[in-house]
Order: sequence, then C-alpha cells, then structure tokens
Amino acid sequence: EVQLVESGGGLVQPGGSLRLSCAASGFIFSNYDMHWVRQATGKGLEWVSTIGNGGDPYYPESVKGRFTISRENAKNSLYLHMDSLRAGDTAVYYCARGSDFDWSMDVWGKGTTVTVSS
Amino acid sequence: DIQMTQSPSTLSASVGDRVTITCRASQRVGNWLAWYQQKPGKAPNLLIYKASSLQSGVPSRFSGSESGTEFTLTISSLQPDDFATYYCQQYNSYPYTFGQGTKLEIK
Repeated sequence: EVQLVESGGGLVQPGGSLRLSCAASGFIFSNYDMHWVRQATGKGLEWVSTIGNGGDPYYPESVKGRFTISRENAKNSLYLHMDSLRAGDTAVYYCARGSDFDWSMDVWGKGTTVTVSS
Repeated sequence: DIQMTQSPSTLSASVGDRVTITCRASQRVGNWLAWYQQKPGKAPNLLIYKASSLQSGVPSRFSGSESGTEFTLTISSLQPDDFATYYCQQYNSYPYTFGQGTKLEIK
C-alpha cells in the first residue's frame, strides 16, 4: 500500500525551529518529486515546498530562507526543516507525492500539526 | 505569482444535481491544473490532473475541462459522499498556487 506518514509537529515558540519528517512506503521513493503543503485552521491549501527526484528544491517567497526541504532516499524519507518560525506558520503540514504523470499531488499523508505560539 | 480564483465560494445543491465549479487563472497555465476534494479533518484527494484527466479510482461522474485560463470541475450527478470542499491548483510554474476553495453543501 502506498503510504505517507508525517511526524515531528508540535508547539514551538516564535523564532524557534522544528523539523518535520515524512516516511514513505509502498513505492520507489527516489523516483518521485515530493511536496509539502500546509493548511491553517479553517483556511485553504498553501504550497510550501517541492523537491525534485534529482534533489532540486523550490519554495515560495513566504518561506524561502527559513525552510529547507531535503530527502534521504536510502531511508525513504522526506524532511522539512523550519527556522525562524512565526505565528503565521501555524498549520497542518501535509507531505504529498508528485504523480506518475505530472506535477500534481496524487498521494497525501494525514498531516502533522505545527503550532507557533508563546 | 499566478492567482487562482474559484467560484462560487459556497455552493448548495441536492443529491442528483449537476454542479459546476469554476477556477480562473490570472495568466496562462496551459493544462497544468489539478482538482482536489477535501473532507473535514482529512487530507486532500486528487480528482483531476492535467485539467481533464481523471485520476485512477475517481468516479466517472467527475470531469474537468478548460478554456484558455478558465477551468471547470463538473459533477454530473451529486452523491452524498461528494459534499466536501474542492480546490484547484496550478502547477505550470512556481510558486504553485491553489484556489481559495469551494465548499459544496447539502441544500
């Protein structure tokens, strides 16, 4: 079964750091682009980062310079290291797989919750 | 950044109705447009990719189309399981952007 399981969320103070992990199973992880998408409570979806199967990272301006996406293919794992966290980063963070056909997101994890508050 | 504008924001409909949700891009995105369904407390689920291609396992009552920068998601005959929030997303260029969502409610 194709599966993504996020972990690492929690409560962190403003200015703090956190590392999210996403464990992949049921597919050849190294072949796929991987994404992070977040959703604040009651709000819409926001793209956070993408890493290509070759390792190239992409970010929106809102997190560029603060967030770092990485992958460890030998461990079938995706990571998101988040620094200088702000209240506006509070959200459920989902990892998602790039589809077989294009750059849409065809498999999603259940998400992990990040709360930035003092 | 490419802005994706969905309409309506909320849609009330009945089981068996045919419904259409529209997503307009602020600039051309080709056919690099996906539609997702999300239920409360759950992760999104891919319905349509490349504007009109049905994701495997998704019922055929869902369909997508495009005309320039306007994209539509159509549900031909609403089922009880379809009441959810729907999002469009462009992946033609970074930053990827989503529409604000359309909440489909039971009338």
